[in-house]
Formats: sequence, structure tokens, C-alpha cells
Amino acid sequence: AQKVTQAQTEISVVEKEDVTLDCVYETRDTTYYLFWYKQPPSGELVFLIRRNSFDEQNEISGRYSWNFQKSTSSFNFTITASQVVDSAVYFCALSGSSNTGKLIFGQGTTLQVKP
Amino acid sequence: GAVVSQHPSWVICKSGTSVKIECRSLDFQATTMFWYRQFPKQSLMLMATSNEGSKATYEQGVEKDKFLINHASLTLSTLTVTSAHPEDSSFYICSARSHRGLYEQYFGPGTRLTVT
Repeated sequence: AQKVTQAQTEISVVEKEDVTLDCVYETRDTTYYLFWYKQPPSGELVFLIRRNSFDEQNEISGRYSWNFQKSTSSFNFTITASQVVDSAVYFCALSGSSNTGKLIFGQGTTLQVKP
Repeated sequence: GAVVSQHPSWVICKSGTSVKIECRSLDFQATTMFWYRQFPKQSLMLMATSNEGSKATYEQGVEKDKFLINHASLTLSTLTVTSAHPEDSSFYICSARSHRGLYEQYFGPGTRLTVT
């Protein structure tokens, strides 16, 4: 079975703080993809990143960075110098070769950035 | 590119009526479309997978006679909630995948359904 766990239900930080959102996954597939999505109050999912299981290089995009570690089955997301506009629900998701590309979502982490 | 639209963006209907939600891929052909449901403060749960020209595959626990899915063309899938009840009130999100990418899904903006 495939599973994604986001243990942090809610996180509250003050603007300019760094914050890390945790994501732990389970899969028996050797080929799989991991995703992060942002869902602002409007509800529309915003794609942030996709990572395949063969690429463990960390990635940085502006204030966002991702740490993929297969040894611990984790794909954590860090926002540096957080801003109020980062306030949203963030979902980690998994898609494996055994489930024909269906996305399995974690429970989501609600991030509140206070001014 | 890779834009997916949903219509309507929100709808209010009376209990017992049916409501249809459309999902369109605007600039690519979607061989597969997915329908998700999201209750307040919860995650997205996959309801069904629809492939163009064939019957939809429903996830366990989803009533196929209640949630009718039609994927009649490569750019359009519809979800019809039949005999709606207040507990069907939710945020419904579709996503579309082209034949070129097994792992690339493009999400629509969602439809908020309220059943009174």
C-alpha cells in the first residue's frame, strides 16, 4: 500500500522565520514521483515541485527548497524567510508505477505566517 | 500551457436534485481525468479515474450510481452528483493527464457544491 504522512497539522510562524514542512512516504514501487502542492484559501491547487525516485538531489527555487532522502523515505519542504503570502495548506503527494499514476495525498499542513 | 477549467466554480442546489460539473482540458488532450473530493480542512480523496471512451474506475467506497462520470471526449469529463444530499456538499476538484506523461497531472480550480 502507498501512504503519505504529514505529521504536522498546523504550523504558525512569524514573518521572516524559516519553516520546514515534513513529509514521509511509504511505497514498494522502485519508480515513483513525489510532489508538493500549495492550496491557498481560494482552493486552487498550485503545483510546486515534482521529484522522481531516482533523483535525490536537493532542489532550491527562490525561497523554497526541498530535501529528498530515500533512506528515511522523506521529502521535506523548507520555506526560507517566510512571508504572509505563504500562508496556505501544503500537500505532499505520491504517485507510483503500481497505481497507474494516481496521486496519494498526505493530510496537509496548514501554515500560518503572521506579520 | 496545460490549463484545466471547471464549471461551475460554485453551485448551490436543493436536496434531491442532480448537479453536473464539467472539467475541460483547454490546450491539451487528456486521455485520463481524475475526480477528487475535499471536505473542509481535509485532504483530497480520489473518487474515480476516467479514461476517454471507457467506463470510469471508482475508488472503494464511492457510489458509482450516485456519482456519474462521463469522459466523452479527449477534452471533457463530467461528474454528475445525482439525488444530492447535504452530506454531498464538498469541494470537487478534477485533474487531467495527457498521454505523454504518466505522472503529470494538471488540476482544475475546483467546484464548491452546497446542497441545501
